[in-house]
Amino acid sequence: DAKTTQPNSMESNEEEPVHLPCNHSTISGTDYIHWYRQLPSQGPEYVIHGLTSNVNNRMASLAIAEDRKSSTLILHRATLRDAAVYYCIRVQYNQGGKLIFGQGTELSVKP
Amino acid sequence: NAGVTQTPKFQVLKTGQSMTLQCAQDMNHNSMYWYRQDPGMGLRLIYYSASEGTTDKGEVPNGYNVSRLNKREFSLRLESAAPSQTSVYFCASSKTASYGYTFGSGTRLTVV
Repeated sequence: DAKTTQPNSMESNEEEPVHLPCNHSTISGTDYIHWYRQLPSQGPEYVIHGLTSNVNNRMASLAIAEDRKSSTLILHRATLRDAAVYYCIRVQYNQGGKLIFGQGTELSVKP
Repeated sequence: NAGVTQTPKFQVLKTGQSMTLQCAQDMNHNSMYWYRQDPGMGLRLIYYSASEGTTDKGEVPNGYNVSRLNKREFSLRLESAAPSQTSVYFCASSKTASYGYTFGSGTRLTVV
């Protein structure tokens, strides 16, 4: 199964770091790990992606385990606007690159 | 603005009617995708087009057809709408899996 495993929900306090875990134990060597988030009543929004090395961008950081069977999305300082459903997706490069969504993690941020 | 444009944004159909959802991207992306999202659920892939001239079934293709008209446009057709097709439909595009994907803002479809 190409889908990943994430906790159903997590809570965070505003201005604190958030670590969102994801398991993708059957990942293959050419699969990318993508993260998207979806705010209420909006389409998914790209957050970050990586292959083997840790990645940073203006939105977040992605830490990928050495064996690539898991990864963690890190929001360095959560804001109320970060409350959303976060999807970790394994993208199979050699099969049309299609995104197969799981249920995601619903992140709530408390002021 | 660059991105994925979906039309219409809202639509109400009667059971048995047909319609086409339109999607266009102006980022010169190779691949395009159609998803549906039911209330409280994650997105499910209906059809995708890995490159111009090709289309493939996704997780839930029954009741839908697609056309990759050119590199920019990818349409989704419901030939005979059913209440079970009431959903929000999202179109997405990508250059390759090594780049981020871009999603449209969605079409909210109600079949009565």
